[in-house]
Amino acid sequence: GAGVSQSPRYKVTKRGQDVALRCDPISGHVSLYWYRQALGQGPEFLTYFNYEAQQDKSGLPNDRFSAERPEGSISTLTIQRTEQRDSAMYRCASSSLAGGTDTQYFGPGTRLTVL
Amino acid sequence: KQEVTQIPAALSVPEGENLVLNCSFTDSAIYNLQWFRQDPGKGLTSLLLIQSSQREQTSGRLNASLDKSSGRSTLYIAASQPGDSATYLCAVMGRAGNNRKLIWGLGTSLAVNP
Repeated sequence: GAGVSQSPRYKVTKRGQDVALRCDPISGHVSLYWYRQALGQGPEFLTYFNYEAQQDKSGLPNDRFSAERPEGSISTLTIQRTEQRDSAMYRCASSSLAGGTDTQYFGPGTRLTVL
Repeated sequence: KQEVTQIPAALSVPEGENLVLNCSFTDSAIYNLQWFRQDPGKGLTSLLLIQSSQREQTSGRLNASLDKSSGRSTLYIAASQPGDSATYLCAVMGRAGNNRKLIWGLGTSLAVNP
């Protein structure tokens, strides 16, 4: 595609529900990153993939958070049993080189609100 | 632990001024440094990427410098325009092992007034 896309753009859910956020990277991009950004803060690293392999998940806050990229393209970030503190903008980025050492291209983000 | 600081937090200037945004980082063992622009309701847009071996990068009215030894980068915007109003974020990528993640500053909120 022309750019990184994310869906849904907005998600409102009730506490305790599971949510799945989708990222569709630029076609052919090797690396895919997930970030979380609270209002007025810089993005916070969550996890990243080279192809389908999850390279680093040290930024995932706890075991309610998981991510996958089974075919090395589309990725899903899943949050189980959501809590109000999970409310944030979730951003996805992709880059053409393994390790994301070149320019990272960001999607528009998914605004998650947990009531 | 890498920490990234951006000064000033906010800046308001009249149109046409040249301005400098500052970014500092605590660990000089970086792979690269990137400057991004963030507009409300939109994604992050990469402006410039400087590899650790480089001293500066230029794109149009933007110039970014890197002094790795002192842990500093500056983003210079020439002849500012109202369309430059946005939040500018600095991020560094670590070099150690497989530590390929961006560590971000909090950003500088820029307003360019007509």
